[in-house]
Amino acid sequence: AQSVAQPEDQVNVAEGNPLTVKCTYSVSGNPYLFWYVQYPNRGLQFLLKYITGDNLVKGSYGFEAEFNKSQTSFHLKKPSALVSDSALYFCAVRHFAGSARQLTFGSGTQLTVLP
Amino acid sequence: KAGVTQTPRYLIKTRGQQVTLSCSPISGHRSVSWYQQTPGQGLQFLFEYFSETQRNKGNFPGRFSGRQFSNSRSEMNVSTLELGDSALYLCASSLNRPSTEAFFGQGTRLTVV
Repeated sequence: AQSVAQPEDQVNVAEGNPLTVKCTYSVSGNPYLFWYVQYPNRGLQFLLKYITGDNLVKGSYGFEAEFNKSQTSFHLKKPSALVSDSALYFCAVRHFAGSARQLTFGSGTQLTVLP
Repeated sequence: KAGVTQTPRYLIKTRGQQVTLSCSPISGHRSVSWYQQTPGQGLQFLFEYFSETQRNKGNFPGRFSGRQFSNSRSEMNVSTLELGDSALYLCASSLNRPSTEAFFGQGTRLTVV
């Protein structure tokens, strides 16, 4: 079985400070990892993904994530947070048994950037 | 390029009724998945369709069903609604490669009273 853990329900950070949203995963084989963001009453927006190659991946809106195979982690980062980054963030792993393409999501982390 | 379109956006139903939700994927995407989002359970996988065939199903009762049409549009149906079915139902479409990201619609907010 594949799973994703987001150990922090809530992360608060001051505007202009760096932010980190944590994610660890458990999967057999090589993982395909994704980060999504959700604003109130909206669907999920794709931020970035790790498939293979460079462990540091860059995505939308200045976000990046670092893949660490030994620690089975895929933490989301941003050098300088904006108030508009306040939202709910989800880490996900692509689960494919056979031909299935479902995503398994973490429980989500509410990020609040304080002005 | 149009995104994933879900209709309706909001729905209020009474216990015991049934409901049908619709999803139009991004043009060219043939894989469509459905998820249920609730505050208590988070995002849970319902089912996935590809080329009109259900490829995978999550751990939901048989009251939850779906289908996909030849144009890749998908519907999900919930029969005999219960209060606990109140949730945001999200549809996602993607290309048929595991490395590609899924694109989500804005969801249908279902309230069962």
